[in-house]
Amino acid sequence: TQLLEQSPQFLSIQEGENLTVYCNSSSVFSSLQWYRQEPGEGPVLLVTVVTGGEVKKLKRLTFQFGDARKDSSLHITAAQPGDTGLYLCAGASQAGTALIFGKGTTLSVSS
Amino acid sequence: GAVVSQHPSRVICKSGTSVKIECRSLDFQATTMFWYRQFPKKSLMLMATSNEGSKATYEQGVEKDKFLINHASLTLSTLTVTSAHPEDSSFYICSARDQTVGPQHFGDGTRLSIL
Repeated sequence: TQLLEQSPQFLSIQEGENLTVYCNSSSVFSSLQWYRQEPGEGPVLLVTVVTGGEVKKLKRLTFQFGDARKDSSLHITAAQPGDTGLYLCAGASQAGTALIFGKGTTLSVSS
Repeated sequence: GAVVSQHPSRVICKSGTSVKIECRSLDFQATTMFWYRQFPKKSLMLMATSNEGSKATYEQGVEKDKFLINHASLTLSTLTVTSAHPEDSSFYICSARDQTVGPQHFGDGTRLSIL
């Protein structure tokens, strides 16, 4: 069974700080997605990475896919209270298969 | 962008009631939809994969007679929680894929509370 280990599980920081969330597995994924979810709502797709070593930027968010396609990271620069939420990584072992989700990282950014 | 609509957003009902949740892809056709269950501050747990025109594939430990899934068209999948009990209370979320290898787009979820 493929597993995605996501860390840290909880993160509470001050506005302006930087942070990194990690998603690791012993298995190779064909693609990996990062989602952000707010309470009472469904997850919203932030990015999809498919190529080993790929780096994608979305404003203050930087996503990286490991060279071996077994791990990924999300780095947020100068966090803001609006970044508060549950961040989920999810991977597909093969194209078209169901996603496997990490346990999520609950981020709280206070002003 | 791809929009997935889930209805109802919240249900409160008595124990023993059967509850139907709808998941619709509004601007694309979805040959595959997925149903997830999520506990407070936890990640999503895949319950089943729903394929249009065929039987759903359930994950290990999910009772198919308890959670009935129907995917009758390319834009609609339904999840029926039969004879619901308090332990079935949870946040249920569906997702749909607009291409075989495309990303999943999620509905806004249904908060089910069984009294």
